[in-house]
Amino acid sequence: DGGITQSPKYLFRKEGQNVTLSCEQNLNHDAMYWYRQDPGQGLRLIYYSQIVNDFQKGDIAEGYSVSREKKESFPLTVTSAQKNPTAFYLCASSFLFGEETQYFGPGTRLLVL
Amino acid sequence: KNEVEQSPQNLTAQEGEFITINCSYSVGISALHWLQQHPGGGIVSLFMLSSGKKKHGRLIATINIQEKHSSLHITASHPRDSAVYICAPPISGSARQLTFGSGTQLTVLP
Repeated sequence: DGGITQSPKYLFRKEGQNVTLSCEQNLNHDAMYWYRQDPGQGLRLIYYSQIVNDFQKGDIAEGYSVSREKKESFPLTVTSAQKNPTAFYLCASSFLFGEETQYFGPGTRLLVL
Repeated sequence: KNEVEQSPQNLTAQEGEFITINCSYSVGISALHWLQQHPGGGIVSLFMLSSGKKKHGRLIATINIQEKHSSLHITASHPRDSAVYICAPPISGSARQLTFGSGTQLTVLP
């Protein structure tokens, strides 16, 4: 079955710790996205990538980093510089041409201890 | 940047009622997405439409590009329709980058 997966479902971070959220897709999509969702707010774009080894900052990139070494994978690292990391993180992917629908992963909920 | 307003923010209905959720945006676009988010957090894309109306089962989405307005309708609502519905037009100048409304929390009571 084609789809987009995220792991883990829940993640706990200690003060000063970097944590990495995984996102994998087998839909052969070119573009991948990371969003953050806070209660009562719309999704906000953290980073996106349209091609391997290239990515661009979104609206709230500070305190986050990404890599795109493989087309299928787009991990997000929440660094210690992100002072308020508690949120729900969603990964999505889409084609660059033709069908514009974005497909979303199940999300990772990050909590700070 | 495209500013998105959804209304209402919260909606409670009885099973069988006709539901309407509205979305207005500030910048002209070519297409708009409607998404559904279930209590567990997973998001499903319902519609991507650029003009007129689209229907999928009991869900109907309409858009008026000139008036910068879209609506999502649910006919014969059911408790399983309870979810957050999110309007997502693209950011101006980039059809693939979306901006998201804060969502409408729909609760359908049996």
